[in-house]
Amino acid sequence: GAGVSQTPSNKVTEKGKYVELRCDPISGHTALYWYRQSLGQGPEFLIYFQGTGAADDSGLPNDRFFAVRPEGSVSTLKIQRTERGDSAVYLCASSSGLAGYGAGELFFGEGSRLTVL
Amino acid sequence: AQSVSQHNHHVILSEAASLELGCNYSYGGTVNLFWYVQYPGQHLQLLLKYFSGDPLVKGIKGFEAEFIKSKFSFNLRKPSVQWSDTAEYFCAVNADMIYNQGGKLIFGQGTELSVKP
Repeated sequence: GAGVSQTPSNKVTEKGKYVELRCDPISGHTALYWYRQSLGQGPEFLIYFQGTGAADDSGLPNDRFFAVRPEGSVSTLKIQRTERGDSAVYLCASSSGLAGYGAGELFFGEGSRLTVL
Repeated sequence: AQSVSQHNHHVILSEAASLELGCNYSYGGTVNLFWYVQYPGQHLQLLLKYFSGDPLVKGIKGFEAEFIKSKFSFNLRKPSVQWSDTAEYFCAVNADMIYNQGGKLIFGQGTELSVKP
């Protein structure tokens, strides 16, 4: 598609359950990012992929959070043993991944709203 | 660690008023700077960006921003706001692009702009 696609758009789960959130980036974009946005806050960086590998996972809050991008395109963010504090909008973004000019210009998806009851 | 600070949490203006939203960042090296906008119910969209050259950059919808390196600032301005500018505005910095292809954006906490018709 033309833009970044995220599914599901809404996910309601119970505390302790496992959740997967999917992101399909813009075709040809080698860099993919996951952010988390809580109400009234700016997006908080979680992890960034360059191709298949995680170039920077310093934002993952703990080992319950994990993300993969096995073929360098679609990515899945996985959250184990969800907690109420995980409730937020999870944003995915992609970019061309080129260094220098244009570096860091991110194209965002609509987000996946996660609610943990 | 890099950080971005937006001075105003919520700004309320009447149509035709002038706008200036403050943004300061903490990083001493070369940066790429961005303003993103999030209209109600929509995803984050790029408003404007600064990579190098003229420190006064112009973006979409009549917005502009000025990079003042000595003040570590990148304030957003618009001479005359419209009701349709009602949205949340996020300043972001990328300080990684030299060492990593792409790099991650660090966002400020956002400024909510409400324009009264």
